[in-house]
Amino acid sequence: EDKVVQSPLSLVVHEGDTVTLNCSYEVTNFRSLLWYKQEKKAPTFLFMLTSSGIEKKSGRLSSILDKKELFSILNITATQTGDSAVYLCAVLYSSASKIIFGSGTRLSIRP
Amino acid sequence: EAGVTQSPTHLIKTRGQQATLRCSPISGHTSVYWYQQALGLGLQFLLWYDEGEERNRGNFPPRFSGRQFPNYSSELNVNALELEDSALYLCASSLIRVASGSSYEQYFGPGTRLTVT
Repeated sequence: EDKVVQSPLSLVVHEGDTVTLNCSYEVTNFRSLLWYKQEKKAPTFLFMLTSSGIEKKSGRLSSILDKKELFSILNITATQTGDSAVYLCAVLYSSASKIIFGSGTRLSIRP
Repeated sequence: EAGVTQSPTHLIKTRGQQATLRCSPISGHTSVYWYQQALGLGLQFLLWYDEGEERNRGNFPPRFSGRQFPNYSSELNVNALELEDSALYLCASSLIRVASGSSYEQYFGPGTRLTVT
């Protein structure tokens, strides 16, 4: 059965720390892996990764995909309290026919 | 640019009734995805509409159905509501250009909180 697994399920760190969130997947007909940040309701798009080994970066956030080992990581450096959220990883099937989300990592940043 | 909009924000129904949820995609987006996020659970894929047609559906019973209109807005209908249908229903839109193979990112609306009593 296809699945997307995120770890850890929750994480509490202090402001200024660097965190690494993990996402592994077992999906047939893989197209892309997406990262989202969900604070209250609507997840907001962070990154889409399609090619292996190419880091995507946006400010303090960065992500990379390893299609051989079937995983991705999301790094957040110099964390701020505004980074507190649930981070979702999702895998999009080829032809965008379906998408599976992981259960998320709940990140809490303490001041 | 306006984002994805959903209505209503909250909906309270009783068991056995029908619920209709609405979604308007970002202007220019042709694909609409529906998701269910039950309390404590992850996002579950429900339905995908593109260019007015249902392209795929997740593992949900037939009482979950919907449609996409010519202006690409979409409705999700849930018939014979059950208590476990209580959840946040999220809609996302995407611009899929098959020819160029680009722009598969999905942008989410604020969701409709459905409560079944």
